[in-house]
Amino acid sequence: SQTIHQWPATLVQPVGSPLSLECTVEGTSNPNLYWYRQAAGRGLQLLFYSVGIGQISSEVPQNLSASRPQDRQFILSSKKLLLSDSGFYLCAWSGTSGASRDTQYFGPGTRLTVL
Amino acid sequence: AQSVAQPEDQVNVAEGNPLTVKCTYSVSGNPYLFWYVQYPNRGLQFLLKYITGDNLVKGSYGFEAEFNKSQTSFHLKKPSALVSDSALYFCAVMSGYSTLTFGKGTMLLVSP
Repeated sequence: SQTIHQWPATLVQPVGSPLSLECTVEGTSNPNLYWYRQAAGRGLQLLFYSVGIGQISSEVPQNLSASRPQDRQFILSSKKLLLSDSGFYLCAWSGTSGASRDTQYFGPGTRLTVL
Repeated sequence: AQSVAQPEDQVNVAEGNPLTVKCTYSVSGNPYLFWYVQYPNRGLQFLLKYITGDNLVKGSYGFEAEFNKSQTSFHLKKPSALVSDSALYFCAVMSGYSTLTFGKGTMLLVSP
């Protein structure tokens, strides 16, 4: 079966510091990968998605970036965090065939607080 | 552009009573519709989806949803609510490249 991991689970960072959040998927190959941010416990905003290694699409211009160095690894980064980057970051994957096609499955999330 | 509306911020229901969480959508073409549930400080859990076929879709934990094309709605239902169903529920529609557009969420509170 497929599983998705995110780490760290929680993170407190000062303004202006760098960021690296990691997401990995097990049990599937060539998944589509997504990064979302959830602010104030409600609406989800799609930040980035990837259909393959090195292929990143950005949905919202901001000081965040994403990379996909391996097939099942998706990284969210920032060079300098802003207060407004605080939130709950969720990674998700979807398959490209079979039962997991067209359905996104979410990881446990990372709670980021920027002080 | 596609959009999803969840008109209720919160739904309150007594345990054992039926529940409905409302969702309407706007999309060009045939809609792919989803419901997810989120417990506090957790990721989203997939409940069910409508792609094509029967308008009544059955999902996890006894939930079901009814697709109504004429009313552009996809309401989530359960015949008998449990206290453990209390959570935040999201409706979503799929757009290009398999990306999802989510509603703002509805908090379901089930009282004992």
